[in-house]
This record gives sequence, C-alpha cells and structure tokens, in this order.
Amino acid sequence: DQQVKQNSPSLSVQEGRISILNCDYTNSMFDYFLWYKKYPAEGPTFLISISSIKDKNEDGRFTVFLNKSAKHLSLHIVPSQPGDSAVYFCAASGVGGGADGLTFGKGTHLIIQP
Amino acid sequence: EAGVAQSPRYKIIEKRQSVAFWCNPISGHATLYWYQQILGQGPKLLIQFQNNGVVDDSQLPKDRFSAERLKGVDSTLKIQPAKLEDSAVYLCASSAGTGGTDTQYFGPGTRLTVL
Repeated sequence: DQQVKQNSPSLSVQEGRISILNCDYTNSMFDYFLWYKKYPAEGPTFLISISSIKDKNEDGRFTVFLNKSAKHLSLHIVPSQPGDSAVYFCAASGVGGGADGLTFGKGTHLIIQP
Repeated sequence: EAGVAQSPRYKIIEKRQSVAFWCNPISGHATLYWYQQILGQGPKLLIQFQNNGVVDDSQLPKDRFSAERLKGVDSTLKIQPAKLEDSAVYLCASSAGTGGTDTQYFGPGTRLTVL
C-alpha cells in the first residue's frame, strides 16, 4: 500500500525550461510534505518543504504547490539547470505521536538536456 | 558543520551471515533514523530514536534486525541472519529536534549486497 506516489519514473526537460514533478498521497494524516534531491552514491538532500496549512512555498528557483483537496503536490523548477539532473523524492510526515519518520515516494529521475 | 557519517560504505556478505552498520549523527541532533532503500524504491523508515529511546520501530523486522543508540549519540543497525532480500542501501538520518518539521539530514548510506 503506497501512501506517497510518484507516477513518473523519469522526466526529461530542456535546460532553461520549467521542470514540473508531481506527487500524490493517500494518507489524510500527513500534514507536512518535503522534496529531497539525490545524486548517485550520495544520501538524499533536503530541497524544500510545505506545511498543510499553506498551498505554496517558494525558495529561489524551486516552488512547491500543495492541493490538499486533491491530495496532490508538485515541485516546479524554473529555470532548469544541468545540475538539477538527479532523482527527486517526494516525502510526507505527520502521523503523530512523536513519530515523524518520512514516507517516501519511489522517486522521479529528472534529466536536464543541454 | 560535519554531516552524518556512516560506515562501511559498501558491504558484501553471504546469506545467513550477520552484518552491522554504524552511524554518527550531526553533533547535538536528538533524533536519529534508519531507512532502508531497495533499488528502484524510495527510502523506507526502519526505526526512529529520540536520544537513546525508540520512538517508532513498527517497520523493523525484529526477528532479524536490531538497532541501538547508546548514550544518545552513535547508532548501530544489525542484521542477523541476512537474507537475499536485505540487499539495499541503508541510510542514516538525524534531525535537531523531535518536531515533525525538523529537517532530516541523511548520510551517504551503506550499500549491502547479500549473495
């Protein structure tokens, strides 16, 4: 039972254009959502997050949008750069009781074409 | 500031053998997590410690996996005996506090291959 779903295993975008990565979740208890970026042979690196009380959070070239009613979030990268090529994981937390381990999706491999 | 350290980086063992992984979190971080990432999947939480106490181990296969965090700092994760399906990258992460919004910082992981 996958509670966080990333339905696109890979995405190819031209340098300078917008990259949009999507994520859906099923657990209504989740109240905090994050995006992590992962390069080969490295651990995931935190990118950006959003609380369920917001619908948008922006940090430089990265913006995360949350649609609670649709249980959907997306990550926008504008403009896309070659160094953005990596695997992006959507993650969620908030099941309560002090347990705040993250539930991850399977990841989307973003490839930025020159 | 030093990041999360893990060792070894790679380990190859035969099934039914035992193996142990070590994690040193970021200095002062109260919360430590172990995740298992199987190829093609996202990381899956195995266990969460707050200081030296277990907060969540609901997804830890306790018949073969064990973990401890002595003195609330370093942690070890052990598998005994290992199965083929335990082949994965084992990631350690730490966060400063216990709130759900505290950023988790990940180490580079230990890649385990069980033959």
